[in-house]
Amino acid sequence: GDSVTQMEGPVTLSEEAFLTINCTYTATGYPSLFWYVQYPGEGLQLLLKATKADDKGSNKGFEATYRKETTSFHLEKGSVQVSDSAVYFCALNTNAGKSTFGDGTTLTVKP
Amino acid sequence: EAQVTQNPRYLITVTGKKLTVTCSQNMNHEYMSWYRQDPGLGLRQIYYSMNVEVTDKGDVPEGYKVSRKEKRNFPLILESPSPNQTSLYFCASSPGTDSNQPQHFGDGTRLSIL
Repeated sequence: GDSVTQMEGPVTLSEEAFLTINCTYTATGYPSLFWYVQYPGEGLQLLLKATKADDKGSNKGFEATYRKETTSFHLEKGSVQVSDSAVYFCALNTNAGKSTFGDGTTLTVKP
Repeated sequence: EAQVTQNPRYLITVTGKKLTVTCSQNMNHEYMSWYRQDPGLGLRQIYYSMNVEVTDKGDVPEGYKVSRKEKRNFPLILESPSPNQTSLYFCASSPGTDSNQPQHFGDGTRLSIL
């Protein structure tokens, strides 16, 4: 079956540091890939998406590129802020309606 | 305001007492889905629905039922809850059934089964 593997957390960074959260996947066919963010006590919110190979999704300074050859969708941000502290989920959708999420990575940014 | 609304937000109950968690969306979305979130396990899909009267099992459907009689509502039913169903539950919806559609999530329902 489909699966999503995220780097283990938690991740703690200082403000203005560079962020990478690794995500790799296995799936049949051509899935769409997503990053969602979850703030304490809230549901998940879409951060960015990419729907085909070599697409780059971007939002709020975050970026991720759909790499079919390495089956990866790593999340990056050049300079994190305290307000970026949250749990980040990598996910994939298939046309069959099924969605698969990674385990989530907790990011804490310290001033 | 466009939203997915779940009720209740919190519930403590006992083993075997049937319960229903309601989910309603006001965006005329075709697709709806239920997930449970457990520490270290991420979100796991319980059931999903690609249209009215169409439901399919996700990865962890055992012990749960759903129905989709109307487009806006997708209740999750636990006929005989057990302690291993203690979890944080999320309902989500998306405009269409294509894989490129992101999901909109409710704020979650925290269930404790004693």
